[in-house]
Amino acid sequence: EPEVTQTPSHQVTQMGQEVILRCVPISNHLYFYWYRQILGQKVEFLVSFYNNEISEKSEIFDDQFSVERPDGSNFTLKIRSTKLEDSAMYFCASGRAGEQYFGPGTRLTVT
Amino acid sequence: ELKVEQNPLFLSMQEGKNYTIYCNYSTTSDRLYWYRQDPGKSLESLFVLLSNGAVKQEGRLMASLDTKARLSTLHITAAVHDLSATYFCAVDRETSGSRLTFGEGTQLTVNP
Repeated sequence: EPEVTQTPSHQVTQMGQEVILRCVPISNHLYFYWYRQILGQKVEFLVSFYNNEISEKSEIFDDQFSVERPDGSNFTLKIRSTKLEDSAMYFCASGRAGEQYFGPGTRLTVT
Repeated sequence: ELKVEQNPLFLSMQEGKNYTIYCNYSTTSDRLYWYRQDPGKSLESLFVLLSNGAVKQEGRLMASLDTKARLSTLHITAAVHDLSATYFCAVDRETSGSRLTFGEGTQLTVNP
């Protein structure tokens, strides 16, 4: 059964560094998403992507964040200058219409 | 702003007992989702409820949706330890590809 994959599973970085989180969505899906979950808290929407452009973003998704679908299969989230409060689990999801399927997540730790 | 509220947030129950988790939401959406999350793991889709009065069952879990009351319930029948996890409900805005807004989650612990 096809599934969303994410790499790396865990990323440790120093404050101020750039990180790129990678996702491979399910191949025939059209909508792509990034969510984050701070430890012990609920899942929060960051951004959605459709037809090669951002379709919606939350107030969390400020100028330090960007997304790309560089090659038709990968979907990346870049954080330009990480802050301590960016430490969280980042989930990629993909879907067609309606249900979203989540990847296993990348745990980002900013020190 | 769309709000989704779950209760209880923490639930400790004994094996064999029944209980219900409630999810209230503030929008008029007719689409509601239930997910399960084990510690340190991803979100596993349990149910997608797409219309008023929808009821779905899988094993010991049954979910229902009342769009008029903006309420969904997740009923647990004869709980077993394997059901211990955090359960999230989520709502979207019924347009294709719209974001999910999640509740805070209900952390369920089933004790032997």
